[in-house]
Amino acid sequence: DAGITQSPRYKITETGRQVTLMCHQTWSHSYMFWYRQDLGHGLRLIYYSAAADITDKGEVPDGYVVSRSKTENFPLTLESATRSQTSVYFCASGHGRGIYEQYFGPGTRLTVT
Amino acid sequence: AQSVTQLDSQVPVFEEAPVELRCNYSSSVSVYLFWYVQYPNQGLQLLLKYLSGSTLVKSINGFEAEFNKSQTSFHLRKPSVHISDTAEYFCAVTMIEGAQKLVFGQGTRLTINP
Repeated sequence: DAGITQSPRYKITETGRQVTLMCHQTWSHSYMFWYRQDLGHGLRLIYYSAAADITDKGEVPDGYVVSRSKTENFPLTLESATRSQTSVYFCASGHGRGIYEQYFGPGTRLTVT
Repeated sequence: AQSVTQLDSQVPVFEEAPVELRCNYSSSVSVYLFWYVQYPNQGLQLLLKYLSGSTLVKSINGFEAEFNKSQTSFHLRKPSVHISDTAEYFCAVTMIEGAQKLVFGQGTRLTINP
């Protein structure tokens, strides 16, 4: 199906474990983004990518790693999960080239115990 | 740097009543402005946007927002709300020149009571 998908939708992990959240889009959008949503903070940008093999930090990058070897995929890895990383994570994509709308995935609810 | 302040974290209204969700922003450069809506257990969807031209922009489901540069505001209004408008609403900005990163406000939860 066309669109932007995230997997898993729900994940429970333990402190110190590595976990990877997947994001896949079928529109061939240049830009992809990872946000986290926490009560009282709205959405905060973790990392973004302007194209394959080009990534940059957002507002809250510490503890996260991203890669983008293919245009359609943008995985987010928590190298050693902490309780403060319990959150809802949203992936988004955008055309670039002067079109500013972002399209959001359904989110991944991550709980770190 | 840009920042966005949504002045109300929760807004309860009765069905068919008017509503205004307030948004103020701060930026040293020119920005584009957006309202996104998040229905329960879903991702965000674009509701409306201001890029240029008329300062009053409208959505297909009856919402409108007005860009006020002097007051750095982009308030969202609807003259008559429906139960289906129950959602969280996020105001966001992005620099006109830049990497298209969105900066979001904290969100306003709109609850419609019958």
